[in-house]
Amino acid sequence: NAGVTQTPKFQVLKTGQSMTLQCAQDMNHEYMSWYRQDPGMGLRLIHYSVGAGITDQGEVPNGYNVSRSTTEDFPLRLLSAAPSQTSVYFCATLGTSKNEQFFGPGTRLTVL
Amino acid sequence: LAKTTQPISMDSYEGQEVNITCSHNNIATNDYITWYQQFPSQGPRFIIQGYKTKVTNEVASLFIPADRKSSTLSLPRVSLSDTAVYYCLLDRGSTLGRLYFGRGTQLTVWP
Repeated sequence: NAGVTQTPKFQVLKTGQSMTLQCAQDMNHEYMSWYRQDPGMGLRLIHYSVGAGITDQGEVPNGYNVSRSTTEDFPLRLLSAAPSQTSVYFCATLGTSKNEQFFGPGTRLTVL
Repeated sequence: LAKTTQPISMDSYEGQEVNITCSHNNIATNDYITWYQQFPSQGPRFIIQGYKTKVTNEVASLFIPADRKSSTLSLPRVSLSDTAVYYCLLDRGSTLGRLYFGRGTQLTVWP
């Protein structure tokens, strides 16, 4: 099993551009989340999903959209990138025992 | 989201036991205490979780006093590869993945 995969690993955008960060999992976990991590900081929750067709906002949702059409995929969309969105983005799933989150390798995004 | 307090950084030498203490004065009855480890350029990795008393696995031990207002993660005989950031979190289960990650504790192990 690949676990949680994220693409791309690195991305550079110009202010105002849009893009989608991809997240896929093959563990059949219902719950998925997106976090961002800024230098020297902990992770902050952006959006999360408790199952296909259901999403909700986390701590810092502004500037991001999500959708969950399948159990496997949970893409994160930046509608109009801003320098403040320069960060490392992690996707995670919640295991069936509900006590352990599995994180992807991250996407490092730079907005110029 | 319930928050925790832990030291910003700690140093140790190889072979020593390391204890990282976390304060969670406002812990709720249905909160579990959970620790994650994060290496540079990687996502966090689950280490251990407990509710009360002591929990031990192949990686670490977690000590929780009766009042549950603090907890201590114990790493036996650390090596250089244990250098990482360690996060203490409260997980209510019902939060469905909505975990609060503070700044964590940067543990540096020296040879």
